[in-house]
Amino acid sequence: GDSVTQMEGPVTLSEEAFLTINCTYTATGYPSLFWYVQYPGEGLQLLLKATKADDKGSNKGFEATYRKETTSFHLEKGSVQVSDSAVYFCALRDSGNTPLVFGKGTRLSVIA
Amino acid sequence: EAGVTQFPSHSVIEKGQTVTLRCDPISGHDNLYWYRRVMGKEIKFLLHFVKESKQDESGMPNNRFLAERTGGTYSTLKVQPAELEDSGVYFCASSQDFLGEQYFGPGTRLTVT
Repeated sequence: GDSVTQMEGPVTLSEEAFLTINCTYTATGYPSLFWYVQYPGEGLQLLLKATKADDKGSNKGFEATYRKETTSFHLEKGSVQVSDSAVYFCALRDSGNTPLVFGKGTRLSVIA
Repeated sequence: EAGVTQFPSHSVIEKGQTVTLRCDPISGHDNLYWYRRVMGKEIKFLLHFVKESKQDESGMPNNRFLAERTGGTYSTLKVQPAELEDSGVYFCASSQDFLGEQYFGPGTRLTVT
């Protein structure tokens, strides 16, 4: 079945550091890929998405590129802020299906 | 516009008891989903409603879980009787279209002791 593997956390960075959270996937069809973020006390929010190979999703300074050849969708940000502290989930939705398939989540803590 | 709301935010019950979780989707969203995250593991799909009908309930773990969506508005998820392994965070999401963006609620943290 479909699955998502993302790097284990927690990840602790200093403010303005570069962030990479790795995500790889396995899918039977041609999935859409997502990054969700959960800030403390809040629900999951869609951060960015990509629906086909080589698409780049971007939002709030975060970027991720859909790499079909490596089945990856790594999340990057050039300069993190304290306000980026949250749990980040990589997810996919396979073609024609509605359920999202999530990774385990990566907790990011950014310190000033 | 109000987002997806869930009640309660946290519930602590003893093994063998019954708990009912409630989800109010965004107004006008026909699609409603339940997901669950057990501690340290992935968020897993439980089921999907389209209006009041169960479109996909392939993720429901066993018959101790009963989901309803009477009238196609809010939904309830009942766990009866609760077991220790049911502890986790239960998320509800809704979307306007069948393959549209899913908007998530804050979750209900269920602790079974």
